[in-house]
Amino acid sequence: DTGVSQDPRHKITKRGQNVTFRCDPISEHNRLYWYRQTLGQGPEFLTYFQNEAQLEKSRLLSDRFSAERPKGSFSTLEIQRTEQGDSAMYLCASSGSGTLGAGSGGSSTDTQYFGPGTRLTVL
Amino acid sequence: DAKTTQPPSMDCAEGRAANLPCNHSTISGNEYVYWYRQIHSQGPQYIIHGLKNNETNEMASLIITEDRKSSTLILPHATLRDTAVYYCIVREAGSSNTGKLIFGQGTTLQVKP
Repeated sequence: DTGVSQDPRHKITKRGQNVTFRCDPISEHNRLYWYRQTLGQGPEFLTYFQNEAQLEKSRLLSDRFSAERPKGSFSTLEIQRTEQGDSAMYLCASSGSGTLGAGSGGSSTDTQYFGPGTRLTVL
Repeated sequence: DAKTTQPPSMDCAEGRAANLPCNHSTISGNEYVYWYRQIHSQGPQYIIHGLKNNETNEMASLIITEDRKSSTLILPHATLRDTAVYYCIVREAGSSNTGKLIFGQGTTLQVKP
């Protein structure tokens, strides 16, 4: 399978513990995104990498959250001192570097493809 | 905030066409319309996107009005496996921006036997 993969798929932790999630994007995709999704809501943007550079962070990404993409391939998202409000699905997506072409049907290099997500439960 | 408005829920009979509407009255000239769907507890799945022309692929058709203020996603022969939340998103094109997706609440499509 050459899609986006995430690990682990599920994580249960106690409040105050640190957790780390991993995302492996589609190979040759240089853009990588993290989103968070709480129950009944649509996904919300957290942060964006182009290659190894973190170019945008949402205000949702508090100082307890840190994301890295050290070699421009896989990425990690760490949450320190977890809180019950951190319970959510954490989604990773990747896309290529191409610019959308006018009138393109079907997929393009700029289309984001999502992984299966990591469901975090903080007790 | 999301720049699109969708009905919260719709039903469709299995085998019939499902037509999912989306309003995006403030869309600008360089913004594309994207559709994703999310089956329970899975990551969003890309369906289709378009700028101003109607588009069709193996999954669906996208009809965009001439003024680009609304669009309709058509699943020509809905099956039970098409039951999902469908998100309509407008997204700015160009390599100079992040291309982040801003999701709304989406439409929950229930396909019934």
